[in-house]
Amino acid sequence: GQNIDQPTEMTATEGAIVQINCTYQTSGFNGLFWYQQHAGEAPTFLSYNVLDGLEEKGRFSSFLSRSKGYSYLLLKELQMKDSASYLCAVHNSNYQLIWGAGTKLIIKP
Amino acid sequence: ETGVTQTPRHLVMGMTNKKSLKCEQHLGHNAMYWYKQSAKKPLELMFVYNFKEQTENNSVPSRFSPECPNSSHLFLHLHTLQPEDSALYLCASSQGGGSGADTQYFGPGTRLTVL
Repeated sequence: GQNIDQPTEMTATEGAIVQINCTYQTSGFNGLFWYQQHAGEAPTFLSYNVLDGLEEKGRFSSFLSRSKGYSYLLLKELQMKDSASYLCAVHNSNYQLIWGAGTKLIIKP
Repeated sequence: ETGVTQTPRHLVMGMTNKKSLKCEQHLGHNAMYWYKQSAKKPLELMFVYNFKEQTENNSVPSRFSPECPNSSHLFLHLHTLQPEDSALYLCASSQGGGSGADTQYFGPGTRLTVL
């Protein structure tokens, strides 16, 4: 089967750094996405990785290792508004998007 | 209007009712999707349309019936639903064409409760 694993919930402190991990087992790989979803709202696109390495976008960075089937989302200088669920998703060889269940990130003052 | 819109935002219906969910995208995309999102579960892909043609139906019960009259509009017709169908129903769109970087953009969802 195909699956995406990510922690169910994480807690971090305002101003700190947090890393959300995602491991995947899929039939082929054609790219990995990270989305942010605030409670009751639409998932919004954060990042896309298809080659190994780190992609940086402001306070958010995403890393990919295809050989390890592993990615992480790094959030720096955490703000209260970063409290949300973070969804990892992978395009497999058929360009089907396989989704993780999401990681709920709680930011404390 | 920008992005992807969905109506209604909330819907409560009985098991014998018939209702429809509507999605509209203003991004000029060619692919549209219906997803079901239940608490603590991965997004479940229900239907995919590419250039108005249904290209995927992931074993969805016949009580859910999609309709895509054009590339900008997508409907989900509901009838004789079950309480376990209560969930957030999300619509998404993308450029289409099957590339790995084909990013999906989501609407705000319809929160459905079946009594």
